[in-house]
Amino acid sequence: QQQVKQSPQSLIVQKGGISIINCAYENTAFDYFPWYQQFPGKGPALLIAIRPDVSEKKEGRFTISFNKSAKQFSLHIMDSQPGDSATYFCAASKDSGSRLTFGEGTQLTVNP
Amino acid sequence: DARVTQTPRHKVTEMGQEVTMRCQPILGHNTVFWYRQTMMQGLELLAYFRNRAPLDDSGMPKDRFSAEMPDATLATLKIQPSEPRDSAVYFCASGLLTGELFFGEGSRLTVL
Repeated sequence: QQQVKQSPQSLIVQKGGISIINCAYENTAFDYFPWYQQFPGKGPALLIAIRPDVSEKKEGRFTISFNKSAKQFSLHIMDSQPGDSATYFCAASKDSGSRLTFGEGTQLTVNP
Repeated sequence: DARVTQTPRHKVTEMGQEVTMRCQPILGHNTVFWYRQTMMQGLELLAYFRNRAPLDDSGMPKDRFSAEMPDATLATLKIQPSEPRDSAVYFCASGLLTGELFFGEGSRLTVL
């Protein structure tokens, strides 16, 4: 019930394309769903987060779509750039200050 | 700018040796987390403190790992004795109850 499943494990996209990463969770008590971005040799950094009272949140080229009934959420990166190449982790917690359960990660490569 | 500081950044040690990793959370943050990152297991929560009190250390092997917060500016993670399977990157993160989690750059541990 604490697991968060993430797919795909790796993703290659051409510059300008759309990158889509999906996550699914089981614990209905989760109410905070952040996405973290990690570059090699660095710690994860918060990219964008959503709560289940909205179905979509957009910040620049990054959008989270949330489907509460399906217990799924996804990250869309529009107009993907080579600088977006990184590992992306979805996560979930019972509130924003509690322990985060992370997905397995998606290694995104954006080719120029 | 405010950041989570971890030391050492890299540590190579021999099996059986004691390893201590230190973390200085962002001033004013009242939650501190220790995560371990490996290729196989991804990001795993080891320990979680709120207002310096341990709330969850269920992910930590109790026989060899210990985590403490001697004061609000220092969190420690100790492994004694270390084993090759402990080789990983250990991340400290801090935050507030209603805010995002900030990660340090990690301590890369190699146990030979």
